[in-house]
Amino acid sequence: GENVEQHPSTLSVQEGDSAVIKCTYSDSASNYFPWYKQELGKGPQLIIDIRSNVGEKKDQRIAVTLNKTAKHFSLHITETQPEDSAVYFCAASKGFSGGSQGNLIFGKGTKLSVKP
Amino acid sequence: EPEVTQTPSHQVTQMGQEVILRCVPISNHLYFYWYRQILGQKVEFLVSFYNNEISEKSEIFDDQFSVERPDGSNFTLKIRSTKLEDSAMYFCASRVGTGQGMETQYFGPGTRLLVL
Repeated sequence: GENVEQHPSTLSVQEGDSAVIKCTYSDSASNYFPWYKQELGKGPQLIIDIRSNVGEKKDQRIAVTLNKTAKHFSLHITETQPEDSAVYFCAASKGFSGGSQGNLIFGKGTKLSVKP
Repeated sequence: EPEVTQTPSHQVTQMGQEVILRCVPISNHLYFYWYRQILGQKVEFLVSFYNNEISEKSEIFDDQFSVERPDGSNFTLKIRSTKLEDSAMYFCASRVGTGQGMETQYFGPGTRLLVL
């Protein structure tokens, strides 16, 4: 089955710096890659996603890149702010291919700390 | 903005007891999911549910688990005889059901289950 690896497990940056989190996946049939932010005591909240027919997507300070050949995708946060501090999870899904019903396979998470 | 709700927020139970975790997915969504997150670990897929039946389940979702949509709004996860290792945060998620499975899954705030 699909396996998603995520690095680093913790990341500490100064306010205003950029943060990059990287994930790799194993199943080439995966075609949908969302990123979730989880704040303490809350459920995961989608922040950005990318589909396999796109190499890059940007939404204000957040961008995601996808390299299908290498089977890795990355989250980039620019001009980080203290409120960006949270745990970030990458995930992969095969959509409806191969009998899948769109379930998400998550990475282990990255705890991002943004210091003022 | 519509959101997924879950009750209770916390549940403490004795080993061997049955528990029912409740979720109200977003009203026009057709696909429902349960995930769990053991403390400090990744979010893990348990089961997906569509058209009043299980559409996919993971190895974790054994005979001790069951899901049900008892009415038009609730979606429940039952654990028949809880074990210590069932202690985790349980998340319900839902999505609209279009987009070939490549669409946002909205997560609830979770139920923290503690088995003593």
